[in-house]
Amino acid sequence: DTAVSQTPKYLVTQMGNDKSIKCEQNLGHDTMYWYKQDSKKFLKIMFSYNNKELIINETVPNRFSPKSPDKAHLNLHINSLELGDSAVYFCASSPRPDRPRELFFGSGTQLSVL
Amino acid sequence: KQEVTQIPAALSVPEGENLVLNCSFTDSAIYNLQWFRQDPGKGLTSLLLIQSSQREQTSGRLNASLDKSSGRSTLYIAASQPGDSATYLCAVSPIKAAGNKLTFGGGTRVLVKP
Repeated sequence: DTAVSQTPKYLVTQMGNDKSIKCEQNLGHDTMYWYKQDSKKFLKIMFSYNNKELIINETVPNRFSPKSPDKAHLNLHINSLELGDSAVYFCASSPRPDRPRELFFGSGTQLSVL
Repeated sequence: KQEVTQIPAALSVPEGENLVLNCSFTDSAIYNLQWFRQDPGKGLTSLLLIQSSQREQTSGRLNASLDKSSGRSTLYIAASQPGDSATYLCAVSPIKAAGNKLTFGGGTRVLVKP
């Protein structure tokens, strides 16, 4: 069983389109995250949700909107895609937000905006 | 603002040689430090987590040390194997932050030649 699964694995789309990436974790964790890995391989946090509530919101364009229907799911919707949005997006989860523990990552979604 | 640097960016060694990977961070007010492994096209796997009060952690052939006052951590991999070829990332978690807000280094890409 995959602990943190995200779909799709690859996403190729045109500029201006709207797309979503889905993430699910079966670890029973309370906290989920979205990270972005740019072309230089630096991972940066975008959002974090704890029990469906937003607790971290970095300086991310408001074209990016996370949605957490329940604590096992955290989806990322991106409006009006731009070339600079091309990156690998990783979902992750952890047991609790207040005492940082190990993070469990999904395998990533490689987004290519043409 | 926390900055994490990993040197070298890439490392190539013959099989059997010990690996030494370095990580430095600018703000010593950390809660913990983690070492991750990333394989091409895959997510990150947590290797070791060192709490700020600890000096080192060991798991099999892996040993990670932490010198919080000097802002340094070192990951040692003994008797390297071709299967150790991957990118290794270190990340620090701040003391005062809502959520598991890790700051990542850019990684060290390791190639172990048979």
